[in-house]
Amino acid sequence: GAVVSQHPSRVICKSGTSVKIECRSLDFQATTMFWYRQFPKKSLMLMATSNEGSKATYEQGVEKDKFLINHASLTLSTLTVTSAHPEDSSFYICSARVGGNEQYFGPGTRLTVT
Amino acid sequence: EDQVTQSPEALRLQEGESSSLNCSYTVSGLRGLFWYRQDPGKGPEFLFTLYSAGEEKEKERLKATLTKKESFLHITAPKPEDSATYLCAVQGWDYKLSFGAGTTVTVRA
Repeated sequence: GAVVSQHPSRVICKSGTSVKIECRSLDFQATTMFWYRQFPKKSLMLMATSNEGSKATYEQGVEKDKFLINHASLTLSTLTVTSAHPEDSSFYICSARVGGNEQYFGPGTRLTVT
Repeated sequence: EDQVTQSPEALRLQEGESSSLNCSYTVSGLRGLFWYRQDPGKGPEFLFTLYSAGEEKEKERLKATLTKKESFLHITAPKPEDSATYLCAVQGWDYKLSFGAGTTVTVRA
């Protein structure tokens, strides 16, 4: 199947700083990439949908100024958590749509804000 | 709004003890129903996509079925390595996935 990578896998940052998470499709060009957030023992919640070269579409309740998404190419999307606070600590996962209906997920990034 | 409900929340099985997981859903314009496996601290791993009622797919000890209102994931003669959280998701017309809360399966040797 298609491979999606994320970097970093874990990051610890201080409150008030910004953190960038990269999502790459390694062996295919992704029509669309999605960003999810997952709290412990909870399911995935969609944050935003990103298409190459256009602005991301955010789900209701997600602050677009806090979670900046850039989709620079068909193989790379980045999520920047700006002015991070402890409540932003979570597991962030990206997925990429190959072109049909299937979405393939990255391994996730564990963000801890101290 | 698309809704996905999975049951049971947790399932403890003895090795070799077959069982089924349920996923009931409501969605406007179903493109597909997806099953994923998620291990702790990892991203979801794709298992199956089902597109229409009556469709069935199999992979090793797993078999997924679909009706107009629900999907089942059957685990036949499970092994300890089948222990994981199994996630069900529906895809609407906009390609977005709506996930259920998952069923955590623990298989004891």
